[in-house]
Amino acid sequence: EAGVTQFPSHSVIEKGQTVTLRCDPISGHDNLYWYRRVMGKEIKFLLHFVKESKQDESGMPNNRFLAERTGGTYSTLKVQPAELEDSGVYFCASSHSWEQFFGPGTRLTVL
Amino acid sequence: QKEVEQNSGPLSVPEGAIASLNCTYSDRVSQSFFWYRQYSGKSPELIMSIYSNGDKEDGRFTAQLNKASQYVSLLIRDSQPSDSATYLCAVKSSNDYKLSFGAGTTVTVRA
Repeated sequence: EAGVTQFPSHSVIEKGQTVTLRCDPISGHDNLYWYRRVMGKEIKFLLHFVKESKQDESGMPNNRFLAERTGGTYSTLKVQPAELEDSGVYFCASSHSWEQFFGPGTRLTVL
Repeated sequence: QKEVEQNSGPLSVPEGAIASLNCTYSDRVSQSFFWYRQYSGKSPELIMSIYSNGDKEDGRFTAQLNKASQYVSLLIRDSQPSDSATYLCAVKSSNDYKLSFGAGTTVTVRA
């Protein structure tokens, strides 16, 4: 069974630019989550999809972040415009029930 | 007060010894508890989940949960150099699916 995949693995952009991260969950998992870890901090929840619906977006830091999951399959997380404090590792996870399985993450560096 | 706190590392143990990792949480309605192992630059890997008070054993790993004390621990018996990683404690409340993570404890097993 293929695990959660994320693309790209690394992204370096300048402040003010736009970046889109992609996550492909484990096949059959209705639940998809985005988390991020900024330097020196804990992994923090961003949002949770159930199929194509946003179930919980309480962790989204501001309206520069937009997540979508069209068709209930893969998801994208767009940051526009990016700020320096957005640098970190963005993880995607998926689950069938409570146990969440994580992808390798996208390391985002905003210069 | 942080939602999830782990004993500060790094923790260094000799090969064959027991590594003991501790985690406390602040939300009394927390329902599910998870231990993830993360190798440097890799995705967090789920190694244990525990939902009820008491012990749960899986191979060389034992998770212990005490909801009254809001405490969960992970024991690694017969530690091997391949166990050297950062161990993350994650807690899910009863109200939603999001995980709250501790900062992680880095374990080094000395050959």
